[in-house]
Amino acid sequence: QKEVEQNSGPLSVPEGAIASLNCTYSDRGSQSFFWYRQYSGKSPELIMFIYSNGDKEDGRFTAQLNKASQYVSLLIRDSQPSDSATYLCAGPLTGGGNKLTFGTGTQLKVEL
Amino acid sequence: NAGVTQTPKFQVLKTGQSMTLQCAQDMNHNSMYWYRQDPGMGLRLIYYSASEGTTDKGEVPNGYNVSRLNKREFSLRLESAAPSQTSVYFCASSLDGLNTEAFFGQGTRLTVV
Repeated sequence: QKEVEQNSGPLSVPEGAIASLNCTYSDRGSQSFFWYRQYSGKSPELIMFIYSNGDKEDGRFTAQLNKASQYVSLLIRDSQPSDSATYLCAGPLTGGGNKLTFGTGTQLKVEL
Repeated sequence: NAGVTQTPKFQVLKTGQSMTLQCAQDMNHNSMYWYRQDPGMGLRLIYYSASEGTTDKGEVPNGYNVSRLNKREFSLRLESAAPSQTSVYFCASSLDGLNTEAFFGQGTRLTVV
């Protein structure tokens, strides 16, 4: 079982809708989390970084962290076809050190 | 403006052959990572280096060795390649581990036949 879990999808949303991506984690002591976007055949790139409870907004993206429930979410408002990609949630690997572990990723499809 | 550079981009090996994947970053980052990505498995950490001269095992280290030659370079070696090591390999670096963004190289697609 991975320490960071995601639903693999695909998640399909119509253009202009809100896409909601979720991630749960097992280590209650984890402090910081990342959302990366990966287009097919490309490298992952950072979308959001969150380390405190609550919401963090950046343009059309909002990351939410709930430490009590051990989940992280990413909301994409006004979804565009260019948002179609795999979204990877990442957090600390248990055992100490600065090791970053990733979920399996959720594939998002934004349909015209 | 190179960022993280991996070589080679593609490689085909026969079972039992050895090879080294090279990774270099020009961002003066302290932390470097090697991941493998397989369908349905996401990115899995092979090895991690917090600084020059230090390395630490990740989630799937068996069959691999690494060297942090200096601050810029972090190489991954397969001593005796197996078909199970067919994957896309990504090198990444970050300034300060978990508190900063990780930047990824373009990946190496390795096939072991």
